[in-house]
Amino acid sequence: QVTLRESGPALVKPTQTLALTCTFSGFSLTTSGMCVSWIRQPPGKALEWLARIDWNDYTSYSTSLKTRLTIFKDTSKNQVVLTMTNMDPVDTATYYCARTYGDSNRFFDFWGQGTLVTVSS
Amino acid sequence: EIVLTQSPDFQSVTPKEKVTITCRASQSIGTNLHWYQQRPDQSPNLLIKYASQSISGVPSRFSGSGSGTDFTLTINSLETEDSAAYYCQQSEDLPYTFGQGTKLEIK
Repeated sequence: QVTLRESGPALVKPTQTLALTCTFSGFSLTTSGMCVSWIRQPPGKALEWLARIDWNDYTSYSTSLKTRLTIFKDTSKNQVVLTMTNMDPVDTATYYCARTYGDSNRFFDFWGQGTLVTVSS
Repeated sequence: EIVLTQSPDFQSVTPKEKVTITCRASQSIGTNLHWYQQRPDQSPNLLIKYASQSISGVPSRFSGSGSGTDFTLTINSLETEDSAAYYCQQSEDLPYTFGQGTKLEIK
């Protein structure tokens, strides 16, 4: 059974760095073709893909946010961590992690429940 | 970056109606287009993969079509539980992108 769960602070101040953890089970990020992405959604707005890390440590980032994002994994803990620097109120959103598996399966088949992050002083 | 534009942004429909949502890509993406349903306060859920391929467990009233730059999601015989937002997503190229969403209200 595949599950993903996001965790991290519910409230951060402007200019701070956010660190979010995705803890997953039911699959391994050492399996060829396995990837985990972070996606966010501001209240009432659309989904926005942020970053992806692959089983082979390849990483990719949103064009507009890449200077602020870092994604890495801890395969021993089955976790993927996303950091975002210089947080701003416009970064207030629900942050999701989601899985893709296979070079021919680049869709998100499993999602976490999301974690709401509010940026406010 | 590939831009996906959905239409309409919002639609109000009655049960048993048929609805079509479109997604247009800024460049050709083959059939690398997927559809998700997001009910209020829930995570998105995969509905259709690769433009027209069905997903196990998704009701057969959901179907998809298209290739290149123009895609459609069709929902036949709407049910009240279909009240949700619908998003398309492309996997032709990184960065992945989503459409702006279509909110469906069932009267």
